[in-house]
Order: sequence, then structure tokens, then C-alpha cells
Amino acid sequence: NAGVTQTPKFRVLKTGQSMTLLCAQDMNHEYMYWYRQDPGMGLRLIHYSVGEGTTAKGEVPDGYNVSRLKKQNFLLGLESAAPSQTSVYFCASTRGEVHSYEQYFGPGTRLTVT
Amino acid sequence: TQLLEQSPQFLSIQEGENLTVYCNSSSVFSSLQWYRQEPGEGPVLLVTVVTGGEVKKLKRLTFQFGDARKDSSLHITAAQPGDTGLYLCAGYSGAGSYQLTFGKGTKLSVIP
Repeated sequence: NAGVTQTPKFRVLKTGQSMTLLCAQDMNHEYMYWYRQDPGMGLRLIHYSVGEGTTAKGEVPDGYNVSRLKKQNFLLGLESAAPSQTSVYFCASTRGEVHSYEQYFGPGTRLTVT
Repeated sequence: TQLLEQSPQFLSIQEGENLTVYCNSSSVFSSLQWYRQEPGEGPVLLVTVVTGGEVKKLKRLTFQFGDARKDSSLHITAAQPGDTGLYLCAGYSGAGSYQLTFGKGTKLSVIP
């Protein structure tokens, strides 16, 4: 049982390049989330999904797109990377309301945009 | 917009000392969670408190949920270097919001 995995762990992009971050969970969780974590800013929600085929905007969605084609996977895309998107990105999943949306996090992806 | 304020932001103590970290809000939460994040890793859930006044213990860690369900505290007894990390509180407001509200965290360093 791997829990939540994220690919890649590190990435350096040049301004304007695109990339996709992959999140996978093997716990059959319905809900999945993408956060970014920056010094002094805490965890900020980018997008989330309440089930396969659904997505919704979080607190800081601009510049990002997401897709949830399969229940176990949640993809985060950057179409045209900007230096302001340099951050550590975390994916999380949860069973839902009965369990107070307790989150299981992946190990993170450290992204640098130059 | 619900906010969770954590204090202190930074805490550096000697091994063996006791400490308390606070998580405060003006809003009521259905439940509150505490996570610990070690450098280079994702946050890991420590505990969830759901009832006003509830106290939960996890070895040397004691978690309390305020009677009004607006605040929480984490007390560590006899801190050890392995307790070093970022402690995050997160609140669930209920009513099908699908999201948690996270505090910005308390960075704890325990010096041997």
C-alpha cells in the first residue's frame, strides 16, 4: 500500500515551458487535492476534485489546470510556467466528510521556474 | 473566510523542555486536525478532535479542542529532537465544504 505518490520529485523549468505533475493514490479515496506550499504562506489550495471526472477551483487556481480522468489519479498542469510558480506542490486525498476530510499527503514535488 | 492563526510561528527549545502551540480562530469548526511535517516530506496526520473540550493524548503529545470549538492547543512534554518539524492545524467547517482551512504552522526545533 503506497498511499499517495507524486511524480516527479524535483523539476526545473524555464519561463514559458509547460509540465504536468502526476498524483496517484491507492486508497480508493473519492476526494483529491493539489496544494502549493511557500515560506510564510502555509498550504494554499490550488484545485480539488470530489470524484472521477470532476474538478473545482481552490484559493489560487490561476495558471494551473487539472484533470481527474481516473479515480486514482489527479493531474496538475502548468501551461506556461512563471517564476511565481516556483514552490513545493503537494497532492492529498481523503475519504470524505465522515472522516472530517482527514488528508493523506504525498511527498511533494519541488518545482523551480527560472 | 475562515482563518486559523497559529502561535508561535517559530519555537526553538532544548531537549527535555515542555512546550505548547496554539491554534485560534473566530470561527467555529466541526473538527480540528493536527499534522506534523518533517523537512522534505508531506504533512502527516497526528490527530483529529471533534468534540468541544475534548482532550486526546498521543504518547508525549496532548491535544485539546476548545469548548466553543474555535481553538485548539498542542502540548509536548519533555520534547525530543525527533519532535522537530512544522506543526500544522487544520479545521473542517462542516456543511459539505469539501475543504480544510490550514493554519500557517509552527516551526519547532528541539536542540539536543
